[in-house]
Amino acid sequence: DARVTQTPRDKVTEMGQEVTMRCQPILGHNTVFWYRQTMMQGLELLAYFRNRAPLDDSGMPKDRFSAEMPDATLATLKIQPSEPRDSAVYFCASGLTTPSSYNEQFFGPGTRLTVL
Amino acid sequence: QKEVEQDPGPLSVPEGAIVSLNCTYSNSAFQYFMWYRQYSRKGPELLMYTYSSGNKEDGRFTAQVDKSSKYISLFIRDSQPSDSATYLCAMSHVYNFNKFYFGSGTKLNVKP
Repeated sequence: DARVTQTPRDKVTEMGQEVTMRCQPILGHNTVFWYRQTMMQGLELLAYFRNRAPLDDSGMPKDRFSAEMPDATLATLKIQPSEPRDSAVYFCASGLTTPSSYNEQFFGPGTRLTVL
Repeated sequence: QKEVEQDPGPLSVPEGAIVSLNCTYSNSAFQYFMWYRQYSRKGPELLMYTYSSGNKEDGRFTAQVDKSSKYISLFIRDSQPSDSATYLCAMSHVYNFNKFYFGSGTKLNVKP
């Protein structure tokens, strides 16, 4: 049963600390998406990669957020320094996509981040 | 104003009722329309997607798209307590099929 996995599932940290969230996409998928979900804003796309190359990070605050794919089986989202307004659930999704067609995205279980 | 608007609810109905969930949008370039279901503390999962206008049916679920009104709907027939979840609409446009714009979600509670 192929699934997207995310670690940690829950993270509580203090303001100013670095936070790293990890995602393992479904084997064979070429695209990884990072989303953030809050009550106020709903589900928002932060960034996405195809074949490990960043395609769009326009939804991500550039000063403190960074996203990388060190290899095809690992994507990371880092926040440094973290702030209370970053408290949210962060989802990773993966898919087998092409630029010219719609393709389903499969979501992981999310990382619930609380910044005190 | 967000590109996709969705009433957050909550919507509470008795078991067996027909449920209607709706979204409106502002960007006429949207061509793909999706409905996701999200259970508490889980990731969204795709229920249905449609391309352009029209209806699509899958079991108890029917998705409708009215592009002239920029309005999409999801109907659930014979609703079950297991349908209790948050339902999110999502859309993408012809310029970037893979960039999804989500509504904020409607929380549905089906009472036994």
